[in-house]
Amino acid sequence: EVQLVESGGGLVQPGGSLRLSCAASGFSFSTYVMHWVRQVPGKGLVWVSRISHDGTVTNYADSVKGRFTISRDNAKNTLYLQINSLRAEDTAVYYCVGDQNFKCDYWGQGTLVTVSS
Amino acid sequence: QSALTQPASVSASPGQSITISCTGTSSDVGAYNYVSWYQHHPGKAPKLMIYNVNYRPSGVSNRFSGSKSGNTASLTISGLQAEDEADYYCSSYRGSSTLVYVFGGGTEVTVL
Repeated sequence: EVQLVESGGGLVQPGGSLRLSCAASGFSFSTYVMHWVRQVPGKGLVWVSRISHDGTVTNYADSVKGRFTISRDNAKNTLYLQINSLRAEDTAVYYCVGDQNFKCDYWGQGTLVTVSS
Repeated sequence: QSALTQPASVSASPGQSITISCTGTSSDVGAYNYVSWYQHHPGKAPKLMIYNVNYRPSGVSNRFSGSKSGNTASLTISGLQAEDEADYYCSSYRGSSTLVYVFGGGTEVTVL
């Protein structure tokens, strides 16, 4: 059974940092492009970042460039998102997504990040 | 990075068909056959319904179909059922100076 389990979310003050993790199982993680997608409560899905299967290429949405860093450890089947300089508008549920050949068919349940003082 | 444009809501009675549009630009929807559609029930993980414009993943009902013309993609749900009530999002790759991925704003489907 394919599983993507996000963790690391929580309540953090503005300006703070968090590292989100996504543990993958049930599929060949190292062959998949991985994404982070977020959803502000009550709003739509927004793409955040993407990393190639081997971790050598990363892409970011303009709104997070310079503050977010995506990475992966294929030996541990784990995807990460380091989030720095958090802002209120970063409050959202963060989903990790598996993508093979432009087919994003694996999604986690999400982890909630709340930025508030 | 502006979102793809979808209608905010669509409603129909059970058994009817609906079509949801997704309008992009010549840099995303019009440029690539990498348009996908997702069904999202609140509180659950989004589910891939259509990929590469008109391909259905295994297990997705053939009542769901996708198409594209120019810069606009469409999702059609035929024989609407109560369980189809959900939010639907389109997405596309967008190639500009760097490769990015963009979603539509979402369409709330209501089964009357």
